[in-house]
Amino acid sequence: KAGVTQTPRYLIKTRGQQVTLSCSPISGHRSVSWYQQTPGQGLQFLFEYFSETQRNKGNFPGRFSGRQFSNSRSEMNVSTLELGDSALYLCASGQGTGNTIYFGEGSWLTVV
Amino acid sequence: AQKITQTQPGMFVQEKEAVTLDCTYDTSDPSYGLFWYKQPSSGEMIFLIYQGSYDQQNATEGRYSLNFQKARKSANLVISASQLGDSAMYFCAMNFFSGGYNKLIFGAGTRLAVHP
Repeated sequence: KAGVTQTPRYLIKTRGQQVTLSCSPISGHRSVSWYQQTPGQGLQFLFEYFSETQRNKGNFPGRFSGRQFSNSRSEMNVSTLELGDSALYLCASGQGTGNTIYFGEGSWLTVV
Repeated sequence: AQKITQTQPGMFVQEKEAVTLDCTYDTSDPSYGLFWYKQPSSGEMIFLIYQGSYDQQNATEGRYSLNFQKARKSANLVISASQLGDSAMYFCAMNFFSGGYNKLIFGAGTRLAVHP
């Protein structure tokens, strides 16, 4: 059974640009959530999607957005990148509350 | 407020010995799940073990066991027979069943170093 797949693994962007990260959850999992990890702030919840609907959103500016497709694959987008957006972005997949949540390998974003 | 506390920024253990990583949590929600993840330097967050708040028995997964003390609101991870490959960051996390969300909150993590 394939795990959670995130692409790309590494990317470098310039301030002001936008970036799109992709996540394919484990087959059968309808919940996909995104997290940002930085040395200063630790792991912070961005948002969660379930059956194409955003169920919950963390405390991030509107530059951070996401969506989920009918096959449960999800994308997150960050527009007008800032240096502080440099982070590891992790995607997690689950079947629903009360079940195990699995993470992907993450996407390392560097903004220069 | 819902919060996870990991009081040990760093720990070291001798290879083949057991080690306990501490985790305490604060919540008034009666229904929740507790997780432990391992994060090596590559960044991947590897699931280790899960405990539901209503589970009567402590969870075990191979060399990992979760010492769940509900009244004390603690969920310590015990790694038996440590291996060099266990050197990594370890995160305790929890989610809450009310609302049906899969939002995890994390502790600050504990860096474990296994010495030969």
